[in-house]
Amino acid sequence: QKEVEQNSGPLSVPEGAIASLNCTYSDRGSQSFFWYRQYSGKSPELIMSIYSNGDKEDGRFTAQLNKASQYVSLLIRDSQPSDSATYLCALSGTALIFGKGTTLSVSS
Amino acid sequence: DTAVSQTPKYLVTQMGNDKSIKCEQNLGHDTMYWYKQDSKKFLKIMFSYNNKELIINETVPNRFSPKSPDKAHLNLHINSLELGDSAVYFCASSQGRGTSNTGELFFGEGSRLTVL
Repeated sequence: QKEVEQNSGPLSVPEGAIASLNCTYSDRGSQSFFWYRQYSGKSPELIMSIYSNGDKEDGRFTAQLNKASQYVSLLIRDSQPSDSATYLCALSGTALIFGKGTTLSVSS
Repeated sequence: DTAVSQTPKYLVTQMGNDKSIKCEQNLGHDTMYWYKQDSKKFLKIMFSYNNKELIINETVPNRFSPKSPDKAHLNLHINSLELGDSAVYFCASSQGRGTSNTGELFFGEGSRLTVL
C-alpha cells in the first residue's frame, strides 16, 4: 500500500518569507509526484508536477525530488497571504495517492 | 462551462436514508474518480472508472455503489447512510488510464454530505 506522509502543520510564515513544505513516501518505485493546493471550501488544483530527481521551478514555486531518500518538497518564495491554503502532496499509481496535507498560513 | 460538475453541492440527510451524487465532465477524459475528503482534509480514493469500466474499487462499504452510464458521467449512490459517511465527496477526471501519464486530476467543486 503506497503511503504519503506530510506534516499537517499549521506552518506559519511572514509575508515575503520562504515556505518549505515536505513530503515523504513509502513506495520506492513511485515515479511521478505532484503538489496540489486547496483553498478552504474549494477543490484541489494542481500547481506542480515533478518526475526526475532535482529541482523544478515555476515562478515562485520550486519542487524538489530526491528518490533515493524518498522525499518531495515544495518551496514557495516571497510568500503572499494569498498562498494561505492546504498543500497536498500526491504520487501516481492507478489513481493519485494523497498525503493528509500541510496547512500554510502567511501573515501580512 | 464548468469542466467537472457535481450535483448537489450540499446534502443534509438523516441516518438510514439513501442519496445520490451526480458528476459530469466535458473535458473528453477517459477516466473518472470518486474521492472522499474527511474533516481532517484527508483525500482518499474510492472508485475509478475508465471508459465505463470499473478499474479501482478501494475498501469501501458496499453501501456505496458507483455507476458510469458513459465515459462523461459518473454517479455515486449511497444506501443506508451512517454518521461516518459525512464528508466532502469529490469527483475528478483525467486523460488516460489510471493517471500513469499525466497525473493531473481535474476536480469538481465537491459535494458536502452531512448525515444527522
